[in-house]
Amino acid sequence: ETGVTQSPTHLIKTRGQQVTLRCSSQSGHNTVSWYQQALGQGPQFIFQYYREEENGRGNFPPRFSGLQFPNYSSELNVNALELDDSALYLCASSTRDRGHYGYTFGSGTRLTVV
Amino acid sequence: DQQVKQNSPSLSVQEGRISILNCDYTNSMFDYFLWYKKYPAEGPTFLISISSIKDKNEDGRFTVFLNKSAKHLSLHIVPSQPGDSAVYFCAASGPVPASKLTFGTGTRLQVTL
Repeated sequence: ETGVTQSPTHLIKTRGQQVTLRCSSQSGHNTVSWYQQALGQGPQFIFQYYREEENGRGNFPPRFSGLQFPNYSSELNVNALELDDSALYLCASSTRDRGHYGYTFGSGTRLTVV
Repeated sequence: DQQVKQNSPSLSVQEGRISILNCDYTNSMFDYFLWYKKYPAEGPTFLISISSIKDKNEDGRFTVFLNKSAKHLSLHIVPSQPGDSAVYFCAASGPVPASKLTFGTGTRLQVTL
């Protein structure tokens, strides 16, 4: 097992720009979830992908979108960045049958929107 | 609407003593409750969980208690060690395979010498 790797670790973007965050899941983990953690808050569920299809979505607008690839990697894309999008973005992978019990979180990408 | 609440943002405990972290929830549909531990610059790490059909689960120094009628759970760490200093998140979900975890805002635990 190689763990969950997220890139980049830090990122600064300007309001209105677009950003892509990347996650490399553990081998065999066919489920990936993305969470947003604002300062002083707990992680909030953005969406989950299972076998490259979106499989659940939290209360986030459509400008938050994702992709999951067959090689266990995934992306979170955010369009038209707003200042409130500044947060730590966490990726978590698991196998379908273990669900959140098997969640392995990455260390996150710290996004700052200026 | 904060469905999972951790009302104590921070807690300081002496080494060797018991740490008690509390969590309240409002959604009766939650089936599973989990505790995660987070160090700076790292992702959350799963610590211990409990199903809604149980009222206690123990794993080494860590015990989680669930009071369904009060919609309250707590994490007990005995004895507390300096390495336990971290932010602890309570989380809840529906039945596995659930699509999401709902997290509390976290409690920062500091274990002092």
